[in-house]
Amino acid sequence: GQNIDQPTEMTATEGAIVQINCTYQTSGFNGLFWYQQHAGEAPTFLSYNVLDGLEEKGRFSSFLSRSKGYSYLLLKELQMKDSASYLCAVRDQAGTALIFGKGTTLSVSS
Amino acid sequence: ETGVTQTPRHLVMGMTNKKSLKCEQHLGHNAMYWYKQSAKKPLELMFVYNFKEQTENNSVPSRFSPECPNSSHLFLHLHTLQPEDSALYLCASSRSGTSGYGGNEQFFGPGTRLTVL
Repeated sequence: GQNIDQPTEMTATEGAIVQINCTYQTSGFNGLFWYQQHAGEAPTFLSYNVLDGLEEKGRFSSFLSRSKGYSYLLLKELQMKDSASYLCAVRDQAGTALIFGKGTTLSVSS
Repeated sequence: ETGVTQTPRHLVMGMTNKKSLKCEQHLGHNAMYWYKQSAKKPLELMFVYNFKEQTENNSVPSRFSPECPNSSHLFLHLHTLQPEDSALYLCASSRSGTSGYGGNEQFFGPGTRLTVL
């Protein structure tokens, strides 16, 4: 079956670093995506990994280990506006369809 | 602005009504998607269209009927819905296929918040 696991909730303080983990078991693999979704808004694309290793984009980095079925999203220098739900999604070999996890709700406090 | 628009943003309907959701993308993409997002559940893929052809139907009940007249427009026709169908319905688009740098990420519209009474 297809399964993507990520923690339901996380909390952190402004200026801190937080790591959101994602593990997946899917029939195929053609890339892993991270999306950010603020309450009541559409998900917006953050990062994409298809090869093992770290992809850095400003304050956000994403890591992938295909052999372990594992990824993480690293958020540095947290800001209040980073409070949102973070969705991990995997594209299987069938094409462009994405399989989403339930999302991790991150709350950033001052 | 995401480049993907959805109307209406909010919809309240009775179980005997017939309504349609509309999605339009201005990004030149060839693949379009309908997702359902319920509270405390992952985004559920409903339908996928590539070049106007339906390529995936994720075991969606027949009371949901998609239509894709061209690569820029996608509709979801609703009839005799149930209260458990109340959710946020998200449309997304992407480049088709798996080639190209960047992974062909999906761009989402703002969603239609549907309430079935």
